[in-house]
Amino acid sequence: QQPVQSPQAVILREGEDAVINCSSSKALYSVHWYRQKHGEAPVFLMILLKGGEQKGHEKISASFNEKKQQSSLYLTASQLSYSGTYFCGTEDAGGTSYGKLTFGQGTILTVHP
Amino acid sequence: DTAVSQTPKYLVTQMGNDKSIKCEQNLGHDTMYWYKQDSKKFLKIMFSYNNKELIINETVPNRFSPKSPDKAHLNLHINSLELGDSAVYFCASSRHTGEQYFGPGTRLTVT
Repeated sequence: QQPVQSPQAVILREGEDAVINCSSSKALYSVHWYRQKHGEAPVFLMILLKGGEQKGHEKISASFNEKKQQSSLYLTASQLSYSGTYFCGTEDAGGTSYGKLTFGQGTILTVHP
Repeated sequence: DTAVSQTPKYLVTQMGNDKSIKCEQNLGHDTMYWYKQDSKKFLKIMFSYNNKELIINETVPNRFSPKSPDKAHLNLHINSLELGDSAVYFCASSRHTGEQYFGPGTRLTVT
């Protein structure tokens, strides 16, 4: 069963902030975040491995609440280049997933000048 | 310098034909994947190989057969193509279960 992302779409002005959520019904080992621009391949943003872990990458950061089986991606002071579709990919806990990611349905982020 | 490459980039073919997509990675990764992305952008894993061994085989029709001749290559052969096979197919690679690097994709159109 795929994780559920919210919101499905968000429109921002440059400089505004956004939060994208990813929620799973299963116990998770890790959460990956990717961004895909139109006509291009998904590009890795970050991976979160431990409960309560937070990571940052420039103005993009993420958190992972292992107990709630949820992850959130935070985009601050958005730039035009942030536009694209954001996917979370979850890896189930249990040690037998072998890196298998189940992706959410995606969140379309549009940043306007 | 291309990390993960796929050929061809576009593939247009008729129903019933057989086609192959090739993937190569020069990152030294030990795990490679095939994903299918449909028209609604849903990205779903199909297969995964670790050191030439098949480790993930999702519910995919038998018409799809992956082959990994070595750690750096993973090909996908599709027999008797159907309209529903039209999609973008992405190859990806990773070091064990770490971050995955995707190839540019192959847009398959079956007419």
